[in-house]
Amino acid sequence: AQTVTQSQPEMSVQEAETVTLSCTYDTSESDYYLFWYKQPPSRQMILVIRQEAYKQQNATENRFSVNFQKAAKSFSLKISDSQLGDAAMYFCAYRSGNSGNTPLVFGKGTRLSVIA
Amino acid sequence: GAGVSQSPSNKVTEKGKDVELRCDPISGHTALYWYRQSLGQGLEFLIYFQGNSAPDKSGLPSDRFSAERTGGSVSTLTIQRTQQEDSAVYLCASSSHGGATYNEQFFGPGTRLTVL
Repeated sequence: AQTVTQSQPEMSVQEAETVTLSCTYDTSESDYYLFWYKQPPSRQMILVIRQEAYKQQNATENRFSVNFQKAAKSFSLKISDSQLGDAAMYFCAYRSGNSGNTPLVFGKGTRLSVIA
Repeated sequence: GAGVSQSPSNKVTEKGKDVELRCDPISGHTALYWYRQSLGQGLEFLIYFQGNSAPDKSGLPSDRFSAERTGGSVSTLTIQRTQQEDSAVYLCASSSHGGATYNEQFFGPGTRLTVL
């Protein structure tokens, strides 16, 4: 079974600074997807960024980028120019690529605080 | 268009009572997922429906938990004889029909269940 580990229960960052959230995973599959989700206090899960395992290029979405190290099974999220609205729980998630729809496997999350 | 909706937003019940949680997926989405988020934990997969196929119930924690999806749309998660450890946020997600391609899961705002 696949597992996802987030070793940082809490992180904080100064506004406008950069922060990196860590995630490692374990799988024997070669085809899979990795995701970072944001969950603000409203509880609404919001997809931040995704990475296909077959792509070597790291995904980027505006201020959010990932460092995907497939051999090391590491998938970290970098948030640049942090904003107060970035404060939330961040979850790393894995999904098998064997079919178009399979459940997500989540880590336990990292609570990010942004200090003004 | 409308996103995934869930009702009720919050539910308080007494130990031993049965509860029903409802999920309205995005119109046209064939896949529907239920996840549970306990305090301080990541999201835990419960059950997954894909079109007319038999649901994947592998994540249900006990036989007190069941779910159905009527007409390929609305889903109801039922917890019988609730226990205090059932207290959690129950999240529903839906996605469009897949094949070998990625299909984003869109989440509802969740139902917070408190068992006294």
